[in-house]
Amino acid sequence: KAGVTQTPRYLIKTRGQQVTLSCSPISGHRSVSWYQQTPGQGLQFLFEYFSETQRNKGNFPGRFSGRQFSNSRSEMNVSTLELGDSALYLCASSLEGARIRDTQYFGPGTRLTVL
Amino acid sequence: AQKVTQAQTEISVVEKEDVTLDCVYETRDTTYYLFWYKQPPSGELVFLIRRNSFDEQNEISGRYSWNFQKSTSSFNFTITASQVVDSAVYFCALLDSNYQLIWGAGTKLIIKP
Repeated sequence: KAGVTQTPRYLIKTRGQQVTLSCSPISGHRSVSWYQQTPGQGLQFLFEYFSETQRNKGNFPGRFSGRQFSNSRSEMNVSTLELGDSALYLCASSLEGARIRDTQYFGPGTRLTVL
Repeated sequence: AQKVTQAQTEISVVEKEDVTLDCVYETRDTTYYLFWYKQPPSGELVFLIRRNSFDEQNEISGRYSWNFQKSTSSFNFTITASQVVDSAVYFCALLDSNYQLIWGAGTKLIIKP
C-alpha cells in the first residue's frame, strides 16, 4: 500500500502571501490530521478532518484552514503568511481517526520557508 | 494538564551499545494511549509502537523494547545493539482526552560507527 504523500515537498514564499499544501492519505483511511513542526515549539496539532468535516482543531489562528475532499485527500491553507509560519508541515492519516485512538501514519512533510 | 517530557535532548553512543530513551507523561485520564515515533533526517515520522493504559506488558520487537510503568508514568524505549541506521530523533506522544496528540520535545539519537 502506498504511504501518505504530501505535495509539494519544499516551498518558499514571502510574507503576506498565501499557500496551499496537499496531502493524500493511505488508501482506505478516512481521517487526515495536520501538524506543524518548528524548532522552537516542536510538534503541534493543527486540525483533523474526517469525512470532509473538521472534527478537531488545535490552537492556531484563523489564518490556518483546511478542507477534505470526498476521496479523503486534504488541503491545508495558510493566508497572510508570517515569518513564524516557517515550519515543516506534516500530514497524518488513520482509518477512523483519533476518536477511536487510531494510529496515525505520517507523510514526509512539506517544508515551508517564509522570507 | 497533559504533558510529555523527554528530558534527554541528545544522546550519542557508539555502535553496538544499548541505549534507553526516557519518556515521562502526565495525565489525569484513566484511559490513555502512548506512542513512539522515529523521525529520520528525511523528516517523515515513522510509527514504532502504541500502548494503551490498560496494557502494562513490556513489548519487544527485534532490537527494540519498551518498558511501560504506570506507577512512575513512564514509557521508556530501549534499543539493544544500536546501529548507525538508528540515528534519528525519537518522539514520545500521548493521545489526550481531546483526541489530540501531545508530543514530547524529542530525543536526538546519534549512533557513531
